[in-house]
Amino acid sequence: EQQVQQSPASLVLQEAENAELQCSFSIFTNQVQWFYQRPGGRLVSLLYNPSGTKQSGRLTSTTVIKERRSSLHISSSQITDSGTYLCALSNYNVLYFGSGTKLTVEP
Amino acid sequence: NAGVIQTPRHKVTGKGQEATLWCEPISGHSAVFWYRQTIVQGLEFLTYFRNQAPIDDSGMPKERFSAQMPNQSHSTLKIQSTQPQDSAVYLCASRRDRTNTEVFFGKGTRLTVV
Repeated sequence: EQQVQQSPASLVLQEAENAELQCSFSIFTNQVQWFYQRPGGRLVSLLYNPSGTKQSGRLTSTTVIKERRSSLHISSSQITDSGTYLCALSNYNVLYFGSGTKLTVEP
Repeated sequence: NAGVIQTPRHKVTGKGQEATLWCEPISGHSAVFWYRQTIVQGLEFLTYFRNQAPIDDSGMPKERFSAQMPNQSHSTLKIQSTQPQDSAVYLCASRRDRTNTEVFFGKGTRLTVV
């Protein structure tokens, strides 16, 4: 059983639309971190959000630990937002990753 | 701050040869992680050091793989007798300390075993 599940697996948007990415988990965690990765690129930390809501630019992450879920909202999407978004959880030590959501933003 | 530095960026080895991958964590970070990424398996945890001591190596294949952290400024991942299924991007990451801070990744080393 996968400990971290992300949905949807893929998402296609028109430029300027908003996106909502979901992450649910079956393990105890006290740290949720969202990453972004382009094909062949580095894993880039987007938001580190142990709980509650955190915003960075057009990105907003909301984490509810007791419900074992986190979401990433991308507002006013841009073509350059295309890539894979990964949710990762930590239980004080190791980061466990979901399979990611592949986002494609079209003009 | 150059971030987490991994060398080489690309490595091609022949089947049966040894491969050594290097990682320099962010200065001042006490936790170092190694992950492996493939299209099929996604991101797989390999091993984790804290203050240079091995804490968790539950993801390491028991044969042929070993990791060390001889000092706080670098860690190595060694794969002996490489096999084609070892081909992957190997990622190193670091974190400042144990108290739930952000994890930062290097650009990875793409290992190809031919």
